[in-house]
Amino acid sequence: DSGVTQTPKHLITATGQRVTLRCSPRSGDLSVYWYQQSLDQGLQFLIQYYNGEERAKGNILERFSAQQFPDLHSELNLSSLELGDSALYFCASSDRRQNTGELFFGEGSRLTVL
Amino acid sequence: ILNVEQSPQSLHVQEGDSTNFTCSFPSSNFYALHWYRWETAKSPEALFVMTLNGDEKKKGRISATLNTKEGYSYLYIKGSQPEDSATYLCAPNTGGFKTIFGAGTRLFVKA
Repeated sequence: DSGVTQTPKHLITATGQRVTLRCSPRSGDLSVYWYQQSLDQGLQFLIQYYNGEERAKGNILERFSAQQFPDLHSELNLSSLELGDSALYFCASSDRRQNTGELFFGEGSRLTVL
Repeated sequence: ILNVEQSPQSLHVQEGDSTNFTCSFPSSNFYALHWYRWETAKSPEALFVMTLNGDEKKKGRISATLNTKEGYSYLYIKGSQPEDSATYLCAPNTGGFKTIFGAGTRLFVKA
């Protein structure tokens, strides 16, 4: 158990809909990362937050947004969903104060868009 | 954009074989390199973090080396076992906030 909690584990929805994925980082970790893994693809970096502030952005679509709240949990919002958004979405957290950058991953949220 | 390349893409070995994979990355602005192990239906787990040129880390039958000047790292597995079957990811850290992963090497170990 990495200590990172993601909900929901599975989600099935229709095209055009909007969903929110939630992540609770390990206790004490200030950084949260979101990654997308599509079928047979590697981990694609989406976005990273540190202590409530956005710090880095990857190839995140404009239809997607995220935020990190004062209690450090994070949400990834996916809107106007398309079939191609079906993927496994991972959240990871790290303690940047250690400067090693080691990431601890949640179990992922599997999104299926029909 | 940080270009991280891992080779081979996949590897099939017999139980007991030793094997190795490569991770290549730009050598400028290097800060650290991480190796992760990702088993099917699970989430990635950190294996090693290396920061210094010439670093060598070992965990059981798995070891890794780092060359920051030429921008590569090797991961070695000695005497592969079926439970070593997984995807091995490397992730160089250039000191910024992004952690970009390579596409991984998928290892299959046949009993």
